[in-house]
Amino acid sequence: NAGVTQTPKFQVLKTGQSMTLQCAQDMNHEYMSWYRQDPGMGLRLIHYSVGAGITDQGEVPNGYNVSRSTTEDFPLRLLSAAPSQTSVYFCASRPPRGGRTEAFFGQGTRLTVV
Amino acid sequence: LAKTTQPISMDSYEGQEVNITCSHNNIATNDYITWYQQFPSQGPRFIIQGYKTKVTNEVASLFIPADRKSSTLSLPRVSLSDTAVYYCLVGDGKAAGNKLTFGGGTRVLVKP
Repeated sequence: NAGVTQTPKFQVLKTGQSMTLQCAQDMNHEYMSWYRQDPGMGLRLIHYSVGAGITDQGEVPNGYNVSRSTTEDFPLRLLSAAPSQTSVYFCASRPPRGGRTEAFFGQGTRLTVV
Repeated sequence: LAKTTQPISMDSYEGQEVNITCSHNNIATNDYITWYQQFPSQGPRFIIQGYKTKVTNEVASLFIPADRKSSTLSLPRVSLSDTAVYYCLVGDGKAAGNKLTFGGGTRVLVKP
């Protein structure tokens, strides 16, 4: 069982470039979300989705877009990369059974913007 | 979403019990308390979750007093591999979509 898979694991971008971070889960979870984690800090929510076709903004959505065309996939797009977006990005999923459920996280994508 | 406060760091030694207390004074009636563990360069991993009183699993115990304004994660007989950051989260995930809100966490260092 693969769980939550993120690709790529590492990426270096130049300022102004765009790219898409991929996230896929095979657990049929309706809830998916993206977080970023800066060095020595906790995770901050970027965008989240409660099901296919439904997305919403988290704490730090600026500079990022998401879409959810299928239950399995939740890609995160960086529109025009900036050095401030250098961070580790985590994708998570969980079933929609209220607060009594655990979230499953991917292994992260380490992004450097130069 | 209820705000949580937990110590920034704690040191311990192998074989000792580690207790991390999290304050959540504004916890709502429907909120659950969940703890995650994060090793360097990895995503967070669920440890334990509870609503009230005591919950125990193979990894940890979670103590929640009657007023639910705080909770204590207890790690029995820690080993070096328990060195990690531990996050306390409070919320009703269904009502808030998937807005799991992470604070700064507690950095636990287990020494030999």
